[in-house]
Amino acid sequence: EAQVTQNPRYLITVTGKKLTVTCSQNMNHEYMSWYRQDPGLGLRQIYYSMNVEVTDKGDVPEGYKVSRKEKRNFPLILESPSPNQTSLYFCASSFTEGIQYFGAGTRLSVL
Amino acid sequence: DAKTTQPPSMDCAEGRAANLPCNHSTISGNEYVYWYRQIHSQGPQYIIHGLKNNETNEMASLIITEDRKSSTLILPHATLRDTAVYYCIVRARGSTLGRLYFGRGTQLTVWP
Repeated sequence: EAQVTQNPRYLITVTGKKLTVTCSQNMNHEYMSWYRQDPGLGLRQIYYSMNVEVTDKGDVPEGYKVSRKEKRNFPLILESPSPNQTSLYFCASSFTEGIQYFGAGTRLSVL
Repeated sequence: DAKTTQPPSMDCAEGRAANLPCNHSTISGNEYVYWYRQIHSQGPQYIIHGLKNNETNEMASLIITEDRKSSTLILPHATLRDTAVYYCIVRARGSTLGRLYFGRGTQLTVWP
């Protein structure tokens, strides 16, 4: 089954403790993205990747890192999480421009 | 990418057609209209897209006006599971790869 898999689905952590949210897709898509969703602000793009070793900033990249060492994986790294990064995070992948497939989401709480 | 305007909320009786409008008066010739939906806190789901011709798939129909300044997403027989936020997105081919701009969308509530 074609899918985008994010882990973990739920995470509670404390300020400053490094964490990684993994994202994997099995559709051989070149493009992958990370979004965060906050009440009243909608979905905002954090980082995206056009292919292996090619990444670029989205609208809200501060406080996040990404890497794309393999085509299928696009982890989101929070080196020193802060409470303002408490949010719902989505990973997405796409082959055709405009048609993106989203993961189920990761709900992160930073205390 | 052109800006879109959607009503914040709509409701529909189960079994009836749900017609969701979207205005995109500044759309340019190479921009497509995409529709996504998001069921409460789940990942957004692609529904349909089109350029200027009407489109239909197993989920919905998309009607784009002749001047392309507005469109309507039609769910022909709405069910309770269609309750979701529906996003209309206008995007040019070749625009920043991997980037989609989601607005506030329309909260569709289907009632029994």
